[in-house]
Amino acid sequence: DVVVTQSPLSLPVTLGQPASISCRSSQSLVYSDGNTYLNWFHQRPGQSPRRLIYQVSNRDSGVPDRFSGSGSGTDFTLKISRVEAEDVGVYYCMQGTHWFTFGQGTKLEIK
Amino acid sequence: EVQLLESGGGLAQPGGSLRLSCRATKFTFASYSMNWVRQAPGKGLEWVSAITGSGDRTFYVDSVKGRFTISRDNSKNTLYLQMDSLRADDTAVYFCATLTRLPTPDYWGQGTLVTVSS
Repeated sequence: DVVVTQSPLSLPVTLGQPASISCRSSQSLVYSDGNTYLNWFHQRPGQSPRRLIYQVSNRDSGVPDRFSGSGSGTDFTLKISRVEAEDVGVYYCMQGTHWFTFGQGTKLEIK
Repeated sequence: EVQLLESGGGLAQPGGSLRLSCRATKFTFASYSMNWVRQAPGKGLEWVSAITGSGDRTFYVDSVKGRFTISRDNSKNTLYLQMDSLRADDTAVYFCATLTRLPTPDYWGQGTLVTVSS
Protein backbone atom coordinates (compact mmCIF):
# COMPACT_ATOMS: atom_id res chain seq x y z
CA ASP A 1 0.00 0.00 0.00
CA VAL A 2 1.12 3.53 -0.73
CA VAL A 3 1.90 5.59 2.35
CA VAL A 4 1.71 9.37 2.11
CA THR A 5 3.52 11.41 4.75
CA GLN A 6 2.97 15.11 5.32
CA SER A 7 5.09 17.53 7.27
CA PRO A 8 4.77 19.50 9.36
CA LEU A 9 1.57 18.38 11.05
CA SER A 10 1.14 21.78 12.69
CA LEU A 11 1.98 25.05 10.97
CA PRO A 12 1.64 28.35 12.83
CA VAL A 13 2.07 31.24 10.40
CA THR A 14 1.98 35.02 10.70
CA LEU A 15 -0.50 36.76 8.42
CA GLY A 16 1.15 37.84 5.19
CA GLN A 17 4.01 35.39 5.57
CA PRO A 18 4.63 32.37 3.33
CA ALA A 19 3.85 28.77 4.26
CA SER A 20 5.00 25.46 2.87
CA ILE A 21 3.78 21.88 3.35
CA SER A 22 5.66 18.79 2.26
CA CYS A 23 4.09 15.57 1.04
CA ARG A 24 6.10 12.42 0.41
CA SER A 25 4.91 9.15 -1.06
CA SER A 26 6.34 5.70 -0.44
CA GLN A 27 6.10 4.98 -4.18
CA SER A 28 6.38 7.02 -7.35
CA LEU A 29 3.08 8.66 -8.22
CA VAL A 30 3.69 8.67 -11.96
CA TYR A 31 0.80 6.74 -13.50
CA SER A 32 1.02 4.53 -16.59
CA ASP A 33 -0.51 7.36 -18.64
CA GLY A 34 2.41 9.63 -17.73
CA ASN A 35 0.37 11.82 -15.39
CA THR A 36 1.07 12.26 -11.68
CA TYR A 37 -2.09 12.16 -9.58
CA LEU A 38 -1.25 14.20 -6.52
CA ASN A 39 -3.93 16.55 -5.22
CA TRP A 40 -4.12 19.04 -2.38
CA PHE A 41 -7.26 19.70 -0.34
CA HIS A 42 -8.24 22.30 2.25
CA GLN A 43 -10.76 21.57 4.98
CA ARG A 44 -12.20 24.14 7.33
CA PRO A 45 -13.78 22.98 10.63
CA GLY A 46 -17.21 21.50 10.08
CA GLN A 47 -16.90 21.63 6.30
CA SER A 48 -16.19 19.16 3.55
CA PRO A 49 -12.74 19.14 1.98
CA ARG A 50 -12.24 21.32 -1.07
CA ARG A 51 -9.71 20.47 -3.74
CA LEU A 52 -7.18 23.23 -4.36
CA ILE A 53 -4.63 21.61 -6.64
CA TYR A 54 -4.83 18.62 -8.97
CA GLN A 55 -2.11 16.73 -10.83
CA VAL A 56 0.64 18.32 -8.72
CA SER A 57 0.43 21.90 -9.88
CA ASN A 58 -2.92 22.79 -11.45
CA ARG A 59 -5.11 25.14 -9.44
CA ASP A 60 -8.84 24.50 -9.33
CA SER A 61 -11.20 27.21 -10.49
CA GLY A 62 -11.53 29.98 -7.92
CA VAL A 63 -8.37 29.06 -6.02
CA PRO A 64 -6.25 32.17 -5.39
CA ASP A 65 -2.92 32.30 -7.17
CA ARG A 66 -1.12 32.59 -3.85
CA PHE A 67 -1.50 28.78 -3.73
CA SER A 68 0.95 26.76 -5.78
CA GLY A 69 1.89 23.12 -6.02
CA SER A 70 5.09 21.55 -7.21
CA GLY A 71 7.09 18.35 -7.14
CA SER A 72 7.56 15.09 -8.95
CA GLY A 73 7.92 11.37 -8.38
CA THR A 74 7.60 10.97 -4.62
CA ASP A 75 8.18 14.49 -3.27
CA PHE A 76 5.64 17.28 -3.47
CA THR A 77 5.06 20.70 -1.93
CA LEU A 78 2.16 23.07 -1.42
CA LYS A 79 3.14 26.69 -0.99
CA ILE A 80 1.09 29.68 0.09
CA SER A 81 2.91 32.86 -0.87
CA ARG A 82 1.19 35.12 1.66
CA VAL A 83 -1.10 33.55 4.25
CA GLU A 84 -4.49 35.15 4.76
CA ALA A 85 -6.94 34.61 7.61
CA GLU A 86 -9.24 32.49 5.42
CA ASP A 87 -6.43 29.98 4.85
CA VAL A 88 -6.71 28.47 8.33
CA GLY A 89 -7.76 24.85 8.51
CA VAL A 90 -6.28 21.49 7.63
CA TYR A 91 -4.48 20.75 4.38
CA TYR A 92 -4.30 17.24 2.98
CA CYS A 93 -2.36 15.83 0.11
CA MET A 94 -3.88 12.83 -1.62
CA GLN A 95 -2.36 10.43 -4.09
CA GLY A 96 -4.71 9.11 -6.77
CA THR A 97 -2.24 7.00 -8.72
CA HIS A 98 -2.49 3.78 -6.70
CA TRP A 99 -6.14 4.08 -5.67
CA PHE A 100 -6.36 6.83 -3.07
CA THR A 101 -4.38 7.63 0.03
CA PHE A 102 -4.48 10.82 2.06
CA GLY A 103 -1.70 12.32 4.09
CA GLN A 104 -2.25 12.83 7.81
CA GLY A 105 -3.14 16.49 7.37
CA THR A 106 -1.37 19.72 8.28
CA LYS A 107 -3.18 22.15 10.55
CA LEU A 108 -2.46 25.74 9.59
CA GLU A 109 -3.17 28.38 12.21
CA ILE A 110 -2.44 32.06 12.51
CA LYS A 111 0.19 33.05 15.07
CA GLU B 1 -25.12 24.05 -8.79
CA VAL B 2 -23.90 20.49 -8.36
CA GLN B 3 -24.94 18.89 -5.09
CA LEU B 4 -24.13 15.59 -3.47
CA LEU B 5 -26.45 14.92 -0.54
CA GLU B 6 -25.69 12.06 1.82
CA SER B 7 -28.20 10.46 4.14
CA GLY B 8 -28.65 7.33 6.20
CA GLY B 9 -26.18 7.95 8.98
CA GLY B 10 -27.03 7.43 12.60
CA LEU B 11 -26.39 5.21 15.58
CA ALA B 12 -25.77 1.51 15.08
CA GLN B 13 -24.76 -1.22 17.49
CA PRO B 14 -21.53 -3.17 17.02
CA GLY B 15 -22.28 -5.94 14.57
CA GLY B 16 -25.20 -3.99 13.14
CA SER B 17 -25.86 -2.51 9.71
CA LEU B 18 -26.54 0.83 8.08
CA ARG B 19 -27.10 1.89 4.49
CA LEU B 20 -25.83 5.25 3.35
CA SER B 21 -27.13 7.06 0.28
CA CYS B 22 -25.69 9.92 -1.74
CA ARG B 23 -27.98 11.63 -4.21
CA ALA B 24 -26.47 13.77 -6.93
CA THR B 25 -28.19 16.70 -8.60
CA LYS B 26 -27.25 18.85 -11.61
CA PHE B 27 -24.46 16.42 -12.35
CA THR B 28 -23.79 13.85 -15.08
CA PHE B 29 -23.66 11.18 -12.42
CA ALA B 30 -23.23 8.16 -14.67
CA SER B 31 -20.09 9.68 -16.20
CA TYR B 32 -18.19 9.64 -12.93
CA SER B 33 -16.61 6.99 -10.80
CA MET B 34 -17.73 7.69 -7.25
CA ASN B 35 -16.15 7.20 -3.86
CA TRP B 36 -16.84 7.06 -0.17
CA VAL B 37 -14.34 8.79 2.12
CA ARG B 38 -14.60 8.80 5.90
CA GLN B 39 -13.25 10.92 8.71
CA ALA B 40 -13.22 9.64 12.27
CA PRO B 41 -13.85 12.30 14.93
CA GLY B 42 -10.86 14.63 15.14
CA LYS B 43 -8.92 12.53 12.63
CA GLY B 44 -7.86 12.70 8.99
CA LEU B 45 -9.44 11.53 5.78
CA GLU B 46 -9.55 7.88 4.73
CA TRP B 47 -10.65 6.58 1.35
CA VAL B 48 -13.12 3.71 1.86
CA SER B 49 -14.52 2.52 -1.45
CA ALA B 50 -14.93 3.31 -5.15
CA ILE B 51 -17.24 2.27 -7.96
CA THR B 52 -16.91 2.86 -11.69
CA GLY B 53 -19.44 4.96 -13.57
CA SER B 54 -21.24 1.93 -14.95
CA GLY B 55 -21.08 0.13 -11.62
CA ASP B 56 -19.28 -2.88 -13.08
CA ARG B 57 -16.25 -2.65 -10.82
CA THR B 58 -15.90 -1.92 -7.12
CA PHE B 59 -12.92 -1.40 -4.84
CA TYR B 60 -12.41 -1.24 -1.09
CA VAL B 61 -9.84 -0.39 1.53
CA ASP B 62 -8.69 -3.57 3.28
CA SER B 63 -10.34 -2.69 6.60
CA VAL B 64 -13.87 -2.81 5.12
CA LYS B 65 -13.53 -5.63 2.59
CA GLY B 66 -16.19 -8.25 3.13
CA ARG B 67 -18.24 -5.93 5.37
CA PHE B 68 -19.12 -2.93 3.17
CA THR B 69 -20.72 -2.98 -0.28
CA ILE B 70 -20.74 0.01 -2.62
CA SER B 71 -23.35 0.25 -5.35
CA ARG B 72 -25.11 2.82 -7.49
CA ASP B 73 -28.37 3.39 -9.34
CA ASN B 74 -27.66 5.70 -12.26
CA SER B 75 -31.38 6.01 -13.05
CA LYS B 76 -31.77 7.64 -9.63
CA ASN B 77 -28.41 9.49 -9.61
CA THR B 78 -27.73 7.79 -6.30
CA LEU B 79 -24.69 6.13 -4.72
CA TYR B 80 -25.00 3.69 -1.84
CA LEU B 81 -22.83 2.16 0.86
CA GLN B 82 -24.19 -0.90 2.64
CA MET B 83 -22.29 -1.28 5.89
CA ASP B 84 -22.60 -4.61 7.74
CA SER B 85 -20.79 -6.05 10.73
CA LEU B 86 -20.12 -2.55 11.95
CA ARG B 87 -17.35 -1.95 14.46
CA ALA B 88 -16.59 0.91 16.81
CA ASP B 89 -13.72 2.02 14.59
CA ASP B 90 -16.16 2.57 11.72
CA THR B 91 -17.45 5.59 13.61
CA ALA B 92 -16.88 8.56 11.32
CA VAL B 93 -18.39 11.15 9.06
CA TYR B 94 -18.85 9.52 5.66
CA PHE B 95 -18.51 11.69 2.58
CA CYS B 96 -19.35 10.79 -0.98
CA ALA B 97 -16.95 12.37 -3.44
CA THR B 98 -15.87 12.18 -7.04
CA LEU B 99 -12.08 12.23 -6.39
CA THR B 100 -11.78 12.56 -10.14
CA ARG B 101 -8.38 12.14 -11.77
CA LEU B 102 -9.55 14.30 -14.64
CA PRO B 103 -8.94 18.05 -14.89
CA THR B 104 -12.61 18.63 -14.08
CA PRO B 105 -14.22 19.91 -10.88
CA ASP B 106 -14.12 17.67 -7.84
CA TYR B 107 -17.31 17.32 -5.82
CA TRP B 108 -17.94 16.33 -2.21
CA GLY B 109 -21.09 15.92 -0.19
CA GLN B 110 -21.58 17.48 3.23
CA GLY B 111 -21.12 14.14 5.00
CA THR B 112 -23.27 11.95 7.20
CA LEU B 113 -22.25 10.82 10.69
CA VAL B 114 -22.15 7.13 11.54
CA THR B 115 -21.74 6.23 15.20
CA VAL B 116 -21.18 2.63 16.19
CA SER B 117 -21.72 2.13 19.90
CA SER B 118 -23.62 -0.07 22.32
